[in-house]
Amino acid sequence: DSGVTQTPKHLITATGQRVTLRCSPRSGDLSVYWYQQSLDQGLQFLIQYYNGEERAKGNILERFSAQQFPDLHSELNLSSLELGDSALYFCASSEGLGFGNTIYFGEGSWLTVV
Amino acid sequence: LAKTTQPISMDSYEGQEVNITCSHNNIATNDYITWYQQFPSQGPRFIIQGYKTKVTNEVASLFIPADRKSSTLSLPRVSLSDTAVYYCLAGGADGLTFGKGTHLIIQP
Repeated sequence: DSGVTQTPKHLITATGQRVTLRCSPRSGDLSVYWYQQSLDQGLQFLIQYYNGEERAKGNILERFSAQQFPDLHSELNLSSLELGDSALYFCASSEGLGFGNTIYFGEGSWLTVV
Repeated sequence: LAKTTQPISMDSYEGQEVNITCSHNNIATNDYITWYQQFPSQGPRFIIQGYKTKVTNEVASLFIPADRKSSTLSLPRVSLSDTAVYYCLAGGADGLTFGKGTHLIIQP
């Protein structure tokens, strides 16, 4: 158990809909990351927050957005969903930003768009 | 963030030592080298991290030559349960990007 909690574990929704994925980082971790992993694809970095502020942005679509709240939990919002958005979405957290920083991953949220 | 190159797949047998090499030719001075293991439908799990020379923990060793342009993850006496995808990353603090990884298959 990494200590990173993601909900829901599974989600099925229709095209055009909007969903919110939730992440609670490990206790004490200030940095949260979101990744997307499609079938047979590698892990695609989406976005990173540190202590409530956006820190780095990767291949995140404009239809997707995220935020980190004062209690450090984070939400990833996916809107106008398309079939191709079906994937496993991981949240990860780390203590800080220093070099040598270790990232710990949650078990993911399975999103199926039908 | 340094681009990394590692073999797409490797095969080995139970009880053998497995070495997976990763190249990161444009690694920056402050970049650390980190290896993760991922089982299907699970989140990646941290294995080991190093900056230079050799690092060893209870599950693996990491060898980094002086020029730091490559690194080798060594798994001693593998078992069937070590079948997984192994990712090598060379980077700093932000937005770690994972490549395709190495799919390691352990046979009886």
